[in-house]
Order: sequence, then structure tokens, then C-alpha cells
Amino acid sequence: KAGVTQTPRYLIKTRGQQVTLSCSPISGHRSVSWYQQTPGQGLQFLFEYFSETQRNKGNFPGRFSGRQFSNSRSEMNVSTLELGDSALYLCASSLAGSNSGSSSYNEQFFGPGTRLTVL
Amino acid sequence: GNSVTQMEGPVTLSEEAFLTINCTYTATGYPSLFWYVQYPGEGLQLLLKATKADDKGSNKGFEATYRKETTSFHLEKGSVQVSDSAVYFCALSDYNFNKFYFGSGTKLNVKP
Repeated sequence: KAGVTQTPRYLIKTRGQQVTLSCSPISGHRSVSWYQQTPGQGLQFLFEYFSETQRNKGNFPGRFSGRQFSNSRSEMNVSTLELGDSALYLCASSLAGSNSGSSSYNEQFFGPGTRLTVL
Repeated sequence: GNSVTQMEGPVTLSEEAFLTINCTYTATGYPSLFWYVQYPGEGLQLLLKATKADDKGSNKGFEATYRKETTSFHLEKGSVQVSDSAVYFCALSDYNFNKFYFGSGTKLNVKP
């Protein structure tokens, strides 16, 4: 079974530009979560999508947005890039993601990440 | 609120040494607890997990026990190898399950 894939793997942008990152979950997984990883802040939760709906959201400004398509693929968009947005962006997929009470449905599988550098 | 605190790194050990990486958490309700490992240039991989108090997760020689009374989930390995060099993250998921909270990560360097 193919793992979680993220494209592109590396991206260089300048301040003020916008960027779109893509994540393809493991086949059959309906939940996709996004995280920002930086040396200073560690791993921070951005948002989670399940069945095309944003279900959880972290504490990030509105410049960070996302969406999920009917095939569970997800994109995240960052507008008006700032230098501090330079980070590794990770996405993770899981099976059901519902309050099923079973952790096996909710184990998260991570992609390799997209390394974004803002100049 | 929910949070995870893990020991600062880097941790440098010689091969075959005993490893402990401390992790404590704050959570409402009954969270599930996880250890993830990140090798250079890669995403995170689940190492082990425990879903209720007193559960012991284990994988590849690593172990961690869910201690509700001390709100801890310390990672241990009896004999580390050079290939264990990576960054280790402790995490919890709340009842909603798909919102994860990660510790800051602990870098482990194992020298031959």
C-alpha cells in the first residue's frame, strides 16, 4: 500500500507570495491533518479535514487555509508569505478519524513533508 | 488544556547504552499516548502507542508505559544502536483522537 505522499518536496518563495501544498493520503484514509514543524516551535497542529470538512483547527492566522477533495486528497494554502512561515509542513492521514473510541482507526501516518523556504 | 513536555536534547549515548527519554503530559479525560520517530529528511513514523492507563507499548526494543498517576510516558531501550539516531517525539491525542499534541522532540545521537 502506498504511503502518504506530499508534493512538492521542496519549495522556495519570496515574502508576499502565496503557496499551495498538496497531500495524498493512504488509500481508504478519510482524515488528513496538517502540521508545521520549525526548530523553534516544534510540531504545531494546523488543521484536520474529514470528508471534505474542516473538523479541527489549530491556532494559526487566517492566511493558512486548506481544503479536502472528494477523493480525500488535501491541499493547504498560505497567502501573503512571511519569513516566519519557513518550515517543514507535514501531513498525516488516518482511517476513520471519528469518535469511534478505537485508537486503531486514528493512528496517523505521516508523509515526508514539504520544506518551504521563504526569502 | 492538553500539552506534552519532553526532555531537552540532544542526548548522546554510546552504542549498547541504556536509553530513557522522559515525557510527561497534561490532558483532560483519557488521552492516548504515542512515541513517534523522525529520521533525517523523513516524516514521522509511529514507534509505539498506549491507549489506556498501565498499557505498555513496545516496538523494535523500545518500550513505554502509560502512567496515569505520574502523567508520564517515558521511552526506554535497553541497548541502543547507531541506527537509532533520530528525533523522538512524544504525543497525545485527546478523546477526539484526531487532534494530536506533540512534545518538542528529543534528538538522540548514538556513537559507535
